[in-house]
Amino acid sequence: DTAVSQTPKYLVTQMGNDKSIKCEQNLGHDTMYWYKQDSKKFLKIMFSYNNKELIINETVPNRFSPKSPDKAHLNLHINSLELGDSAVYFCASRGGWGTRETQYFGPGTRLLVL
Amino acid sequence: QKEVEQDPGPLSVPEGAIVSLNCTYSNSAFQYFMWYRQYSRKGPELLMYTYSSGNKEDGRFTAQVDKSSKYISLFIRDSQPSDSATYLCAMSASGATNKLIFGTGTLLAVQP
Repeated sequence: DTAVSQTPKYLVTQMGNDKSIKCEQNLGHDTMYWYKQDSKKFLKIMFSYNNKELIINETVPNRFSPKSPDKAHLNLHINSLELGDSAVYFCASRGGWGTRETQYFGPGTRLLVL
Repeated sequence: QKEVEQDPGPLSVPEGAIVSLNCTYSNSAFQYFMWYRQYSRKGPELLMYTYSSGNKEDGRFTAQVDKSSKYISLFIRDSQPSDSATYLCAMSASGATNKLIFGTGTLLAVQP
């Protein structure tokens, strides 16, 4: 069973459209994240939710709106897509204890805005 | 200047070589240091986790942290073609749970 899954894996869309990416984790974790990885592989945190509550909100355009219907799901909605939004978006969830605490990443959603 | 700097490579080595990957950082509040491995078209996976200064060994992998120099390293002994991936250093001030700051990643190719 996939621990952290994302849909869709690939998303190609036109500028100005609105799209959503979904994330689900079956690890029983309370905390989930969205990251953006650009073409140079730089991975940057966007949002974090703990048990459906927003705890990290980096400097992200308000066209990006995360939603967590329950602690196993964290979705990302993007309005009025721009060319610069093209990237790979990773969902992650946090688990483990002490020195084994880690973030488990999903496979990524490759977004291309034309 | 980025908080975490990492040589992007690419780095190409023959099978069996010792590989050294490095990151420097500027934020002295960082206490937790991690190395993630990312295969092509996959999500990052945790490879090594170190708290504060010191060394940690796990099989062929050794992580070193020198907080006085704000410098961390990952050594891979007897490198294998299956080690070919992008290696990302990451660090945080409050554990792996919260706001990881990543380096830009080093692309490693191990030639058979």
